[in-house]
Amino acid sequence: QAVVTQEPSLTVSPGGTVTLTCGSSSGAVTSGHHPCWLQQRPGQAPRTLIYDTTNKHSWTPARFSGSLLGGRAALTLSGAQPEDEAEYYCLLSYTLDRRVFGGGTKVTVL
Amino acid sequence: QVQLVESGGGVVQPGGSLRLSCAASGFAFSSSNMHWVRQPPGKGPEWVTIIGPDGNAQHYADSVKGKFTVSRDNSKNTLYLQMNSLRPEDTAVYYCAKDIAWGFDYWGRGTLVTVSS
Repeated sequence: QAVVTQEPSLTVSPGGTVTLTCGSSSGAVTSGHHPCWLQQRPGQAPRTLIYDTTNKHSWTPARFSGSLLGGRAALTLSGAQPEDEAEYYCLLSYTLDRRVFGGGTKVTVL
Repeated sequence: QVQLVESGGGVVQPGGSLRLSCAASGFAFSSSNMHWVRQPPGKGPEWVTIIGPDGNAQHYADSVKGKFTVSRDNSKNTLYLQMNSLRPEDTAVYYCAKDIAWGFDYWGRGTLVTVSS
């Protein structure tokens, strides 16, 4: 069973830029893993920011973007706002019945 | 607007069963793949299962294979999750989510399942 790894925590200054990454124990992450990024604030349901590596939903703020970076999936936040303080999870899909979430990254805006 | 509303959660004893429902509205439910995702208290999410639009295709995480069964009633715009042989480690908030391109777009607010004696 592949393990999906994320930074446990990151801190960004208001207005600053931070990149969260998502790696796989089975090797490089590619577009074939269809990386998906979720944001979850305390006490709330997750909401999807990015799907299929780079695609945004209508509700995804423009300051969030998805990419592949050095064999990992990446979520970049440019121009952090206080409301971006949350837990962020990535999902990698290996097969139709093997879809694995990372352990999450807690982002603090400070 | 799109709405997904889960129900059916509660407290159940180990070894017991529970059926969750997810009422969908605001989109073409009968054309959509649908997921169940669960999240134990204080932990990250875990993907559980996906079902195809007509219900004929289902895929499960290894942790629930043979215990959980996903189904749907397109005439009622409702998704179900039948959970049997429940164990304390199945305790979680269970979310339904609409599929898009191997990921999710809309999520429900979840329903809490607690397996405890």
